[in-house]
Amino acid sequence: GAGVSQSPRYKVTKRGQDVALRCDPISGHVSLYWYRQALGQGPEFLTYFNYEAQQDKSGLPNDRFSAERPEGSISTLTIQRTEQRDSAMYRCASSGGGNTIYFGEGSWLTVV
Amino acid sequence: DQQVKQNSPSLSVQEGRISILNCDYTNSMFDYFLWYKKYPAEGPTFLISISSIKDKNEDGRFTVFLNKSAKHLSLHIVPSQPGDSAVYFCAASVQGAQKLVFGQGTRLTINP
Repeated sequence: GAGVSQSPRYKVTKRGQDVALRCDPISGHVSLYWYRQALGQGPEFLTYFNYEAQQDKSGLPNDRFSAERPEGSISTLTIQRTEQRDSAMYRCASSGGGNTIYFGEGSWLTVV
Repeated sequence: DQQVKQNSPSLSVQEGRISILNCDYTNSMFDYFLWYKKYPAEGPTFLISISSIKDKNEDGRFTVFLNKSAKHLSLHIVPSQPGDSAVYFCAASVQGAQKLVFGQGTRLTINP
């Protein structure tokens, strides 16, 4: 596609439920990133992939968070047993190999 | 530990004047710096970047200055236009590290 596409755009879930957020990167982009952005803050790195390999997951807050990119294209960020503190904008980004990354519009997650 | 800081949450500038947005960093390993611009309900979009081997990079109305000794960079927009009203994020990375560290953002408002 023309840009990074994320779904759902908005998700409200009850505490304790699992949530899956999807990212479709720019076609042909090798690298895919997940960031989290709280209100009034800049994006905070979570994890990234080159092709299907997860290269760095040092930003994932705890083991309830996981990500996969099984075929080197679409990626899913999964949050298990959600908590209210997980509420944030989750942004996916992709790049074609340089330092410039291109962000999607994000998925707003609200845990009630 | 905020490695990239934008100490001004907001800035208001008159149309036609120069806008100067500032950013400080603490990690001396950072060697690549970027500015992103974000409109409401959209993802951040890449604006301009600079490598640590340079102290200035210019692209049209936008110029980024880097002062490595002070660990400080700034974005100059001249002349400022109403369409420049947005949130601006400074970001930094270590070459090859593939992840960006963002500042908190500065909301720029251009007044007609």
